[in-house]
Amino acid sequence: RKEVEQDPGPFNVPEGATVAFNCTYSNSASQSFFWYRQDCRKEPKLLMSVYSSGNEDGRFTAQLNRASQYISLLIRDSKLSDSATYLCVVNPSGNTGKLIFGQGTTLQVKP
Amino acid sequence: NAGVTQTPKFQVLKTGQSMTLQCAQDMNHEYMSWYRQDPGMGLRLIHYSVGAGITDQGEVPNGYNVSRSTTEDFPLRLLSAAPSQTSVYFCASSETGTAIYEQYFGPGTRLTVT
Repeated sequence: RKEVEQDPGPFNVPEGATVAFNCTYSNSASQSFFWYRQDCRKEPKLLMSVYSSGNEDGRFTAQLNRASQYISLLIRDSKLSDSATYLCVVNPSGNTGKLIFGQGTTLQVKP
Repeated sequence: NAGVTQTPKFQVLKTGQSMTLQCAQDMNHEYMSWYRQDPGMGLRLIHYSVGAGITDQGEVPNGYNVSRSTTEDFPLRLLSAAPSQTSVYFCASSETGTAIYEQYFGPGTRLTVT
């Protein structure tokens, strides 16, 4: 079983739609969680951290469920510019910087 | 600030050849790392460094060497290229402490080994 699993998609949605991605992780001792965004043939960039209480940044909401070991990302009012691959990222322990990346979920927002 | 730079952008090697992928950052970040990205696999950590003179292995270190003689540079050496090393290589850097997870990635090197 992979340490971090995501549905690769692609998710094809119309502009204005709400879309949610889930990610599961296998190590129950994992300490912190993140969503990175990667545009086609570009480098990944940090989108947002995921906190236990849930957090929101504009149209983006991230949630963590430690009991079920999953993380979610909700995008409201999708824009064409949201088309990208969203990477679920887990820190298994401490502040070592050793991140575990999921394979990514691809989102295509269509006009 | 240039951020994180990588050279070359593209490279084709024959099996058995060696080469060095260059990575430099101008943000005075202590932490630097190398990842490879393959279809369906996500990014996998090859080697990382928490400061000049200190390096350690990641998840997939075999076939690669690194050194960190300065804060700015973190080159990745392929000792004897194999087709299994065909991949996209990303270098990343960050501050240490709790900011270590905001990693800044370079644009990547696309390597093909024939």
